[in-house]
Amino acid sequence: GAGVSQTPSNKVTEKGKYVELRCDPISGHTALYWYRQSLGQGPEFLIYFQGTGAADDSGLPNDRFFAVRPEGSVSTLKIQRTERGDSAVYLCASRSSGSVNNEQFFGPGTRLTVL
Amino acid sequence: GQSLEQPSEVTAVEGAIVQINCTYQTSGFYGLSWYQQHDGGAPTFLSYNALDGLEETGRFSSFLSRSDSYGYLLLQELQMKDSASYFCAVRERDYGQNFVFGPGTRLSVLP
Repeated sequence: GAGVSQTPSNKVTEKGKYVELRCDPISGHTALYWYRQSLGQGPEFLIYFQGTGAADDSGLPNDRFFAVRPEGSVSTLKIQRTERGDSAVYLCASRSSGSVNNEQFFGPGTRLTVL
Repeated sequence: GQSLEQPSEVTAVEGAIVQINCTYQTSGFYGLSWYQQHDGGAPTFLSYNALDGLEETGRFSSFLSRSDSYGYLLLQELQMKDSASYFCAVRERDYGQNFVFGPGTRLSVLP
């Protein structure tokens, strides 16, 4: 497909477990972003990758959250020792480096539920 | 700190014009974007203003006044499919280009 894809679409886990969320950006997009969105709120920035490196991880709430993008394409958001407060929709977005209007293309999100 | 303010809800009828305002207080400002999000869907890009003035794209227009820390999204000839949440988002830094999103405005278009 031509758009951003995220897997799984839904993830239910128990408190204390480890989860991985995957994002496949649009081919050729060097910039990749992770956001999380709680019900009725706007997306909250977590981390930004330019290529393989995390250029800005200032939005990660604590050290339980980590993300990688080893080959500059697919990215994985990893959450350790999940807590009920981590329940949200996790959105991934990508952007072309040549974009003049800073348009970000969002994926459908992964709905994470921590029981 | 950073804060963006938008009305929480707006209601209008088909064919009408509606304006959604956004005021911001951020540590830096390099541009204002607007995104649309239908229930259960992904945010989709509508517009971007880096400079003062009006940008028009079809039925949608976006305005920015940097001196007032204010912008708005104008939707004309409303259609039922425009019922969605609309988010303004500020680009705070010159590098990184991550955006700070507002709380969103839920637009309901009535027949």
